[in-house]
Amino acid sequence: AQSVSQHNHHVILSEAASLELGCNYSYGGTVNLFWYVQYPGQHLQLLLKYFSGDPLVKGIKGFEAEFIKSKFSFNLRKPSVQWSDTAEYFCAVNARTGNQFYFGTGTSLTVIP
Amino acid sequence: DTGVSQNPRHKITKRGQNVTFRCDPISEHNRLYWYRQTLGQGPEFLTYFQNEAQLEKSRLLSDRFSAERPKGSFSTLETQRTEQGDSAMYLCASSLEGGATEAFFGQGTRLTVV
Repeated sequence: AQSVSQHNHHVILSEAASLELGCNYSYGGTVNLFWYVQYPGQHLQLLLKYFSGDPLVKGIKGFEAEFIKSKFSFNLRKPSVQWSDTAEYFCAVNARTGNQFYFGTGTSLTVIP
Repeated sequence: DTGVSQNPRHKITKRGQNVTFRCDPISEHNRLYWYRQTLGQGPEFLTYFQNEAQLEKSRLLSDRFSAERPKGSFSTLETQRTEQGDSAMYLCASSLEGGATEAFFGQGTRLTVV
């Protein structure tokens, strides 16, 4: 079975600080990788995705993530966070030949103005 | 709005009652998923449909839960004899078929069992 680990449960940053959220997964085959964001009171929205090709993917709102296959990692980054980035961030993976999406436990990000 | 739609948004029920939730996926999506999310946790997989066929069920989906997707369009998730432990956010998602596809989520149904 696949699993996803998010190492940071709660992160507090000041505006303009840089962000990096860790995500590791366990699965030996080909995977699709995702970061979802959940703003307060809203539904899960896709932030970015990796299917194949360039391991550095860019998403919405200035976020990017890098797939490092040898480390089974897909860390999320943003060079300068804003107050509006306050949200819950979830890393997810599904096997290319599989069905369900596996989610990490999430990281709560609070950005202080 | 052409996204995934879930009804109701909130449901408060007494322990022992039966409840049913509905999910309308994005129209061209043939895959539909149900997840459960509790406070401080990520979404946990419950079950998955491809068209009208229920192809996978999690052990989290006890015998008191049943999901259907009779015509391959909308889906229902019924919980019988609800327990306080069933209190959670129930999420529905849909996706296209294929190896490289993403899931689109609805806003969820928050169930509170009192």
